Amino acid sequence: QSALTQPASVSGSPGQSITISCTGTSIHDGPYNYVSWYQQHPGKAPKLIIYDVSHRPPGISNRFSGSKSGNTASLTISGLQAEDEADYYCSSSTNTSPFGGGTKLTVL
Amino acid sequence: EVQLVQPGAEVRKSGESLKISCKTSGYTFTNYWIGWVRQMPGKGLEWMGIIYPGDSDSRYSPSFRGQVIISADKSISTAYLQWTSLKASDTAMYYCARGGYCTNGVCYHFDNWGQGTLVTVSS
Repeated sequence: QSALTQPASVSGSPGQSITISCTGTSIHDGPYNYVSWYQQHPGKAPKLIIYDVSHRPPGISNRFSGSKSGNTASLTISGLQAEDEADYYCSSSTNTSPFGGGTKLTVL
Repeated sequence: EVQLVQPGAEVRKSGESLKISCKTSGYTFTNYWIGWVRQMPGKGLEWMGIIYPGDSDSRYSPSFRGQVIISADKSISTAYLQWTSLKASDTAMYYCARGGYCTNGVCYHFDNWGQGTLVTVSS
């Protein structure tokens, strides 16, 4: 299985925008638009926030957006809020690279 | 409302067996794949395997094949994760999750998650 690489940590101040990258050979241009993102607060279960690269499940704030270019997918959080402080994981499919290593977002 | 309910914690000793459950409700159990995910203390998410309760077709991550058994009971809409001989290194949080979109035995995202079962194995 190939790996998905994420930065270990990112930080931002309230109101700012941040972007978390996810790079891997299983993420590439073409019909393979199956990148998803999960948010996990300490002691809680992961929560799906983006699927199919850029789609948000019902109830997820439009401050969360996803995109993809080449071998890199990105999660952008705009208007950063204290409640966004959490771990974020990217994922592609269960037969390639199920999860990235995770990125800890700190809201300063 | 889709719900996946797991027991909060299980404690066992090395060498013992364990079967943890994931009871689902709010959707047709046999129409969606269910996956299991491990999270070791302070670490990231690891996909273990998936099962399609409709026909019990199961797929395992190479890292977990032969180490665990995934099963499902359609009559009570419950999926299971089982160990025959636990090791201290199996100490972790285990989550079940519903496959949001899966095809040909591959899942592309998991849209609903259980709250997790903390398994503690003492030596």
